[in-house]
Amino acid sequence: NAGVTQTPKFRILKIGQSMTLQCTQDMNHNYMYWYRQDPGMGLKLIYYSVGAGITDKGEVPNGYNVSRSTTEDFPLRLELAAPSQTSVYFCASSYTRIESLRPQHFGDGTRLSIL
Amino acid sequence: ELKVEQNPLFLSMQEGKNYTIYCNYSTTSDRLYWYRQDPGKSLESLFVLLSNGAVKQEGRLMASLDTKARLSTLHITAAVHDLSATYFCAVDSRNAGNMLTFGGGTRLMVKP
Repeated sequence: NAGVTQTPKFRILKIGQSMTLQCTQDMNHNYMYWYRQDPGMGLKLIYYSVGAGITDKGEVPNGYNVSRSTTEDFPLRLELAAPSQTSVYFCASSYTRIESLRPQHFGDGTRLSIL
Repeated sequence: ELKVEQNPLFLSMQEGKNYTIYCNYSTTSDRLYWYRQDPGKSLESLFVLLSNGAVKQEGRLMASLDTKARLSTLHITAAVHDLSATYFCAVDSRNAGNMLTFGGGTRLMVKP
């Protein structure tokens, strides 16, 4: 059971470039999330999804876009990379609040540097 | 807006000593999570606390929740070097998305 898989693990971008961070989970979780973690800080929610076709903004959505066409996949898109988006990005998934009391499961992260 | 504050932010302690990490949050919630993060790694779930007075223990770590005081504690007993990591508390904001708001983390270093 792979859990939450993120690709790539590392990436360096130039300012203004775009890229997509991939996230897939094989636990049939309805809920998926994208967080960013700046050095020495806690995680901040970028976007989340409660099911295929449904997404919503978190605390820090500016500069990012998401889509959820399937239950398994939740890609995060950076359209015009800026140095402020240098961070570690974590994808997570969970059951619905009613179905389960289990915590969110996190991927291993994508370390993104924008120069 | 839900705010979650942890203290201390950094803790250096000797092996064998006891200490407590505190997690305060600003609005009503009935779910609190503790995670551990090793340097350069992902987050590992430690405890899920679901009700007032809940206490969970695993090895040298014990977590508790006081929903009336909006406070959770993570107590470390007889610390060992392997406990060195960053510990995060996260509070469920109770909306439909099952969103978590994280504290800033407590970086724990246990010295031999």
